[in-house]
This record gives sequence, C-alpha cells and structure tokens, in this order.
Amino acid sequence: NAGVTQTPKFRVLKTGQSMTLLCAQDMNHEYMYWYRQDPGMGLRLIHYSVGEGTTAKGEVPDGYNVSRLKKQNFLLGLESAAPSQTSVYFCASSIASELNEQFFGPGTRLTVL
Amino acid sequence: AQSVTQLGSHVSVSEGALVLLRCNYSSSVPPYLFWYVQYPNQGLQLLLKYTSAATLVKGINGFEAEFKKSETSFHLTKPSAHMSDAAEYFCAVSGIYQKVTFGTGTKLQVIP
Repeated sequence: NAGVTQTPKFRVLKTGQSMTLLCAQDMNHEYMYWYRQDPGMGLRLIHYSVGEGTTAKGEVPDGYNVSRLKKQNFLLGLESAAPSQTSVYFCASSIASELNEQFFGPGTRLTVL
Repeated sequence: AQSVTQLGSHVSVSEGALVLLRCNYSSSVPPYLFWYVQYPNQGLQLLLKYTSAATLVKGINGFEAEFKKSETSFHLTKPSAHMSDAAEYFCAVSGIYQKVTFGTGTKLQVIP
C-alpha cells in the first residue's frame, strides 16, 4: 500500500513555462485535494474533487487547473508559471466526507524563476 | 465561516517538559477538530481528531487534546517532550458541508 504518491518531488521552472503535478492514491478514496504550503501561511486549498470527473475551486485557485479523469489520480496544472507560485504542493485524499482524516503525499517543491 | 488560530508560531521546550500547543477555533456549525504533525520534508499525518464523542481525545505518540466549547479551544498537550517530537503541528477545523481549514502551524523545538 503506497498511500498517496506525488510526482515529481522537485521541479524548477522558468516564468511562463507550464507543468503538471501528478497525485495518485491507492486507498480507493473519493475525495482528493491539492494544497500549497507557504511559510507562515499554513496550508491553503487550491482545488479539490469529490469524485471521478468532478472538480471544484478552493481558496486559491487562480493560475491552476485540475483534472480527475480516474478515481485514483488527481492532476494539478500550471499553464503559465509565475514566481508567486513558488511553493510546496501537497496532495491529500480522504474517504468521502469532510469529517474524515486526510492522508497526505510527501509534497512537491516547486521553484519558479 | 470557520477559522483556526494557533498561538505561537514557534514553541521551545526542554526534553522531558510539558508540551502545550494552543489552538482556538471559530465555527458556525458543530466543529470537527484535528491536529496534524509534519516532520521535516514530509507530508502531514493525523495526530488526533475530535468528533463530539468525547471532549478529551487521545492520539498517537502520547499526545492528547481537550475540546472546550466555552473557550472555543482545542489545545494539544503531551506530558513529557521527546526529541522526536520536534516537528510542525497544525490545528484544523471542519464541519458538516465545510471544507477543512488549517491553522498557520506551530514549530516545536525540543532542547536536550
């Protein structure tokens, strides 16, 4: 049981480049989330999904897009990276309901120059 | 609307001393409250969760937290700090039809 995995672990982009972060979970969870973590700001929700084929905006969605074509995968895309998107990105999943524990991946450290 | 306030972004304790990390919440619905721990270069993992079954919640690694509705608090404690407790701790609040909201975190330093 791998839990939640994230690819890649590190990435450096130039301003304007695009990239996709992949999150995969093998726990058959319905809910999946993308967060960004910045010093002194805790975790902020970017987008989330309550099931295959559905996505919704979180607290800070601008500049990001997501897709959930398969239940086990949740992709986060940056179409035109900006320095303000330099952050550590975490994916999480949970059994259906906001009242349940979230299981987190190890994170992706992204630097945009 | 809901929010979480963690008092103190950094807390230092001596090894063997009491650990107290403070969390106050605001919620318009009966809250579910969580404490997560993040070790360096890792994701968050659940320490404990309050779901209204009992006000004193015991978690992993000897941690516990007490829900006090009158004080809107959910402070995390451990009687005796260990070097391995050095990490960042996040309080979070949720509720029916509410997304989880995380606090800004408290970094715990344990001094030998």
